[in-house]
Order: sequence, then C-alpha cells, then structure tokens
Amino acid sequence: AQTVTQSQPEMSVQEAETVTLSCTYDTSESDYYLFWYKQPPSRQMILVIRQEAYKQQNATENRFSVNFQKAAKSFSLKISDSQLGDAAMYFCAYRSPSGSARQLTFGSGTQLTVLP
Amino acid sequence: DSGVTQTPKHLITATGQRVTLRCSPRSGDLSVYWYQQSLDQGLQFLIQYYNGEERAKGNILERFSAQQFPDLHSELNLSSLELGDSALYFCASSVGEKGEQYFGPGTRLTVT
Repeated sequence: AQTVTQSQPEMSVQEAETVTLSCTYDTSESDYYLFWYKQPPSRQMILVIRQEAYKQQNATENRFSVNFQKAAKSFSLKISDSQLGDAAMYFCAYRSPSGSARQLTFGSGTQLTVLP
Repeated sequence: DSGVTQTPKHLITATGQRVTLRCSPRSGDLSVYWYQQSLDQGLQFLIQYYNGEERAKGNILERFSAQQFPDLHSELNLSSLELGDSALYFCASSVGEKGEQYFGPGTRLTVT
C-alpha cells in the first residue's frame, strides 16, 4: 500500500517570503499522480497543484510550484511571495492511475502560518 | 466554490443513532468519493462510486454504507453511531475515474 509522509507538522513564513513544504511517499508503482491540497480555517479542501509522475517537468500554478524528485520519492511544494490568505493546513496526496485504487491517500498535513 | 454540495453542514446526534449524509457532485461528474477527517485518523478514504456502481472500498466500517442514485447524488449512511465517529465527512467528485477530485464543504458530525 502507498504511504505519504509529511514530516513538518507546522511551519511559518513571513509575508512576501518563500516557503517550502516537504512530502515523501512510498510506492512500487511507476506511474501515479501527486497533489497538494489546501485546507483553510473554513475546512474546505482546495486543490492547489497536481503532478503526473511520467512528466519530468515540475508543475507550476502562479505562486505555487513543486519540486518532484521521482527517484527520491519526494514532492515538495514551494509557495512564493507568501500572502496572509495562504495560511492553511496543506496536505500532500497520492493517487494511482489505474486499477481500483483511484482514491487519494493523504499525508498528515502541515499547518502553515503566515506572519505579517 | 467547487460545485460539490453536501448537506447538512452540521449534524449533532446521540450514540446509537443513525444519520444520512448527502452529496451532490459537480455537474457532469460520474465519480463520487467519501472521505472521513478525524483528529486521530487524519483524512481517510471510505468508499467510491462510479455511475451508480461501487468501485472501491477503503477503511469503511460495517456500520457505514453508501449508495449513488441514478441522478448521481450519493448518500452515506452511518448507523449505531459511536463517539469515535465524530468527524468531518467529505464528499469529492471527478469527471471520470482519472480526473482531479473536487471536494465539497463537508458535513461536521458530532456524536454525543
């Protein structure tokens, strides 16, 4: 079974600065998808960014980008020019591309605080 | 707003009772997933339906069941409720079985 590990329960960043959230995963599959979800105080789960394992190019969405290291099974999220609205719990998630395991497997989350 | 709706937003009930949580997927989405978020277990997958058929089961208790109706809305039934069932229950939907999953706002269940 796949596992996802987020080793940083809490992180903080100064407004306008850059922060990187770490995620590692364990899988025997060669093809899969990785995601970062954001959960603000409203508790809504919001998709931030997605990465397909077969793509070597790192995904980017505005101020959010990932560093995907397939051999190391590492998938970190970089938030540039941090804003107060970025304060949230961030979850890393894994999904198989095929078979019955289409569900998301989540890490335990990293609580990000943005300091004014 | 993800386009996924869940009702009710909050539910408070007593141990031993039965409740039904409802989810309406985004327009056009055929796949529905249910997840449970609790303090001690984190976010866990419960069950998936695709176009009315059960496709995958996760850590879903026997006291819990779900179904997806012809209009594609889904219901999660929780029975013989225990204090430990208190959690946030999310529904997510995707176009097929490969698309991104978009989450509803969740139903906060409190069992007293």
